[in-house]
Amino acid sequence: ETGVTQTPRHLVMGMTNKKSLKCEQHLGHNAMYWYKQSAKKPLELMFVYNFKEQTENNSVPSRFSPECPNSSHLFLHLHTLQPEDSALYLCASSQGSGNTIYFGEGSWLTVV
Amino acid sequence: GESVGLHLPTLSVQEGDNSIINCAYSNSASDYFIWYKQESGKGPQFIIDIRSNMDKRQGQRVTVLLNKTVKHLSLQIAATQPGDSAVYFCAETFNTGFQKLVFGTGTRLLVSP
Repeated sequence: ETGVTQTPRHLVMGMTNKKSLKCEQHLGHNAMYWYKQSAKKPLELMFVYNFKEQTENNSVPSRFSPECPNSSHLFLHLHTLQPEDSALYLCASSQGSGNTIYFGEGSWLTVV
Repeated sequence: GESVGLHLPTLSVQEGDNSIINCAYSNSASDYFIWYKQESGKGPQFIIDIRSNMDKRQGQRVTVLLNKTVKHLSLQIAATQPGDSAVYFCAETFNTGFQKLVFGTGTRLLVSP
């Protein structure tokens, strides 16, 4: 148990579907992150939220839409994805800068 | 959970041996470094960290060494166990107000009984 919980753990969706990934952290952290881990690249930072405000969008396509309603919850809304978006999506959190980032177990996404 | 499909460098050791995993980082301005372990089907797990004002830090069975001159980081695991088998990533960052970690591609550690 890392203190960062992601659901669902596995998701298969068609290219025309709309789905969402959910992340919740129980660590009292103020920063939350979405990372993508695919078969062909190292871990890639997608989005950063600091005190609910988005502070980083790492050139992510608009078919990925993050939402951070509060410091404990983070969503990734998925719409009209492509097969190459199939990957492990990791949520993480940290307490400000200069401190360790803790990851969830990830959501395995397959786009068919 | 590991970067399946990537051609990862692999380190194969026998149980009980000491393991050394190396990492070259890219940004000379980076001031904080973390080693993560990722087992199959799981997210990265924090192992140990080190700040740029240090050159060595020890944990339980693990030691991280930092050489800023050549931008090199290493993770030493003492008395390696089969449960240590995983992919190990180094990550670097500098103070931006939040953590913008840059990850290496990882090294797969295989421990034989």
